[in-house]
Amino acid sequence: KAGVTQTPRYLIKTRGQQVTLSCSPISGHRSVSWYQQTPGQGLQFLFEYFSETQRNKGNFPGRFSGRQFSNSRSEMNVSTLELGDSALYLCASSQDTYNNYGYTFGSGTRLTVV
Amino acid sequence: AQTVTQSQPEMSVQEAETVTLSCTYDTSESDYYLFWYKQPPSRQMILVIRQEAYKQQNATENRFSVNFQKAAKSFSLKISDSQLGDAAMYFCAYRPPGTGANSKLTFGKGITLSVRP
Repeated sequence: KAGVTQTPRYLIKTRGQQVTLSCSPISGHRSVSWYQQTPGQGLQFLFEYFSETQRNKGNFPGRFSGRQFSNSRSEMNVSTLELGDSALYLCASSQDTYNNYGYTFGSGTRLTVV
Repeated sequence: AQTVTQSQPEMSVQEAETVTLSCTYDTSESDYYLFWYKQPPSRQMILVIRQEAYKQQNATENRFSVNFQKAAKSFSLKISDSQLGDAAMYFCAYRPPGTGANSKLTFGKGITLSVRP
């Protein structure tokens, strides 16, 4: 069974540009969550999607957005990139409706903004 | 708001020995879920163990076990017979029940575990 796949693995962008990250969950998983990981702030929740609907949102500016498709694949978009957006972006999927059995994470996308 | 505290940023253990990683959390909920995740250099977060707050019995997964003290809001991870492959960053995480506005994983800052051969 394939795991959670995130693409691309690495990305370098310039300040002011926008970026789209992709996440393919484990087959059958309908919940997809996104987290930002930085050395200073640690792991912070961005948003969660379930059956194409945003179910929960973290405390990030509107430049951060996401969506989920009918096949449960999810994308997140960051517009007008800032240097502080440099981070590891992790996607996680879950099998059950309430995510109580834990999440399966991908290997992340390392975004560097220069 | 829920908070998760991992006060030890780094720990070291001798191969084959036992190590305990500490975690405390703050919540007003009576029912919730606690997790320990391992993040090796490959970056992928791996679920190590899960505990349901309404279960008094401590969870165990092979060499990994927890000491869950609900009243003290403490959730420590014990790794027995430590192996070189256990070297990684370990995160404690909390999740409230349901699918409400706060139903997300809240992570601690993590602890870097090194294993000495």
